[in-house]
Amino acid sequence: DAGVIQSPRHEVTEMGQEVTLRCKPISGHDYLFWYRQTMMRGLELLIYFNNNVPIDDSGMPEDRFSAKMPNASFSTLKIQPSEPRDSAVYFCASSLYRGEELFFGSGTQLSVL
Amino acid sequence: AQSVAQPEDQVNVAEGNPLTVKCTYSVSGNPYLFWYVQYPNRGLQFLLKYITGDNLVKGSYGFEAEFNKSQTSFHLKKPSALVSDSALYFCAVRDNQAGTALIFGKGTTLSVSS
Repeated sequence: DAGVIQSPRHEVTEMGQEVTLRCKPISGHDYLFWYRQTMMRGLELLIYFNNNVPIDDSGMPEDRFSAKMPNASFSTLKIQPSEPRDSAVYFCASSLYRGEELFFGSGTQLSVL
Repeated sequence: AQSVAQPEDQVNVAEGNPLTVKCTYSVSGNPYLFWYVQYPNRGLQFLLKYITGDNLVKGSYGFEAEFNKSQTSFHLKKPSALVSDSALYFCAVRDNQAGTALIFGKGTTLSVSS
């Protein structure tokens, strides 16, 4: 398996624009997680899915953020409109079972100017 | 609520010396504990985990960690550090009974000098 695949690797956009981050989990993994990493706040859990259903979205910063998982092999994290404070590295991770270790993608480095 | 603390932002050791990266946690139920490593411009990689059983857990690249329930700690250790071990290390905890997702510490930068 190729592991968790995220795209794009880097995204530079202007404030107010819509940003869509994409993730393909490892085949067969039932859990998918979105994390955000910044120097100030470290790794923050944004949302996670089980069998394509959102389970906990309490970490989503505000209504500008939304996440979907239309099928078992694809998830998106959308920011609309984007703001400079959204600049961070966004990681997607998947796991086979709830208690098992997470497998992380390489992340998307987002810069909002 | 669950939480995890890594009290040191940075740990510096000389190559060949033993290393310890500290982690303490707080959960209301039974903890699942993990260590991950992150190299520059890469995602996190799993090192080891404690679910139940022996308090000393062995993982990848010669790392091990000791679960101490009374001190609520899960320190990462390695008997002999390598320069290539230099990276950012994250401790993470999950409250098994609460059914929550994995929560990560702020991370500790390990620097191994030659």
